[in-house]
Order: sequence, then C-alpha cells, then structure tokens
Amino acid sequence: ETGVTQSPTHLIKTRGQQVTLRCSSQSGHNTVSWYQQALGQGPQFIFQYYREEENGRGNFPPRFSGLQFPNYSSELNVNALELDDSALYLCASSPRQGSGTGELFFGEGSRLTVL
Amino acid sequence: AQTVTQSQPEMSVQEAETVTLSCTYDTSESNYYLFWYKQPPSRQMILVIRQEAYKQQNATENRFSVNFQKAAKSFSLKISDSQLGDTAMYFCAFMNRDDKIIFGKGTRLHILP
Repeated sequence: ETGVTQSPTHLIKTRGQQVTLRCSSQSGHNTVSWYQQALGQGPQFIFQYYREEENGRGNFPPRFSGLQFPNYSSELNVNALELDDSALYLCASSPRQGSGTGELFFGEGSRLTVL
Repeated sequence: AQTVTQSQPEMSVQEAETVTLSCTYDTSESNYYLFWYKQPPSRQMILVIRQEAYKQQNATENRFSVNFQKAAKSFSLKISDSQLGDTAMYFCAFMNRDDKIIFGKGTRLHILP
C-alpha cells in the first residue's frame, strides 16, 4: 500500500507566474484535501475534493483552484502568484468523505517559494 | 466557526521527563474528532493520537495520552518519558464528520539531552 505522494518537493517561482502541484492519494482513498502551511503557522484548509468534485473550500481566493482525477489523484493550481503564497502545501487523503475514521493521511508537502 | 487555540508557542523539557501540551477549541457541534499531529523537520504530518468526542475515555497511545474535557472544550496532550525523537512541532486539530481539519498554530517542543 503506497502512501500519499506529492510533487514537486521544492520549487521556486516569480510573482505573477502560475504553479501546479500534484498529489497521489493513498490507495483506496477517494477524498483529497489541500492545506497551506505558512512558515511557523498551522496548516490552513484550502479545499477538498471528493469523487472529482470540490466539496468545501476555505478562505482562499479563486486563483487557487484544483482538480481531482478518476484515479483520485489531485492537482492544486495557483495563478498570479503573490509573495504571500510562499508556503508548504500539504495534501491529505482519506478513505471516503465522512468516513468516520477521523484520520487523514498526509504527504510530505511541496515547498513553494515565490520571489 | 470552529477554532483551535494552542497557548504555548514553544516548550523545552529534559529527556525522560513528562510534558503536557495545552489545547482549547470552540465548536457548537456535539460529534467531532480531536487530534494531535506531530510535524518533525522532515515536514510530514504524523498522527500522534485521536479522540472521538462521544467517547468519554481518554485516548492513550504508548507514551502519549490525552486529557479530554468536553464541557471545558479542552484537549491536552501528555508525553511521558520524553525522548529526543519527540522533538517536533505539535499541532492540535479539530475535525467534524466532513473530514476538514482545523489546526491550531502549533507548539514547538524541544527535548533536551
């Protein structure tokens, strides 16, 4: 059973550019959530995907968007990058929405630096 | 809106000692989950312990235990016989049944040799 994998692990972009981050969920998991963790802070919920549809969104602007594919892998896209978008982006998967297990499985994150 | 508050930004204890990390939360829901996650320098969030709100018994995982006070909305983590490998950021977190987690700002724990 493979865990949650994210790519790339590190990347550097300049202000105004666009970025795509990728996440492969753990085998058998159909729900993927994305979190933004600024330096020294706790992770903030961006959005969640369940069976290829967005299922809840945190307080993030529309330039943060996502996709979930039929194999339940997911992408996070950020347009018009700003300096404050510099953060660790974490992906987490769970077996199904409202599974009742109460546990998310996290990847190691993608560290984005915006210059 | 649910909130999670960790009032201790940083703590240090000697190896083998016991340490307690504090957490309070606010919610109007009656059924939810509470967690403590550990994030070492490797960055990956690791689940330390989980508590279901409807269970009155405090969860325990080896050296880790919680003191869950539902009426007070308090959820502290006790680490017994602390080890150097326990050095990490610890996040208290809340989740309702839709799998969306709200994290506190974290407590940086240093275990000193």
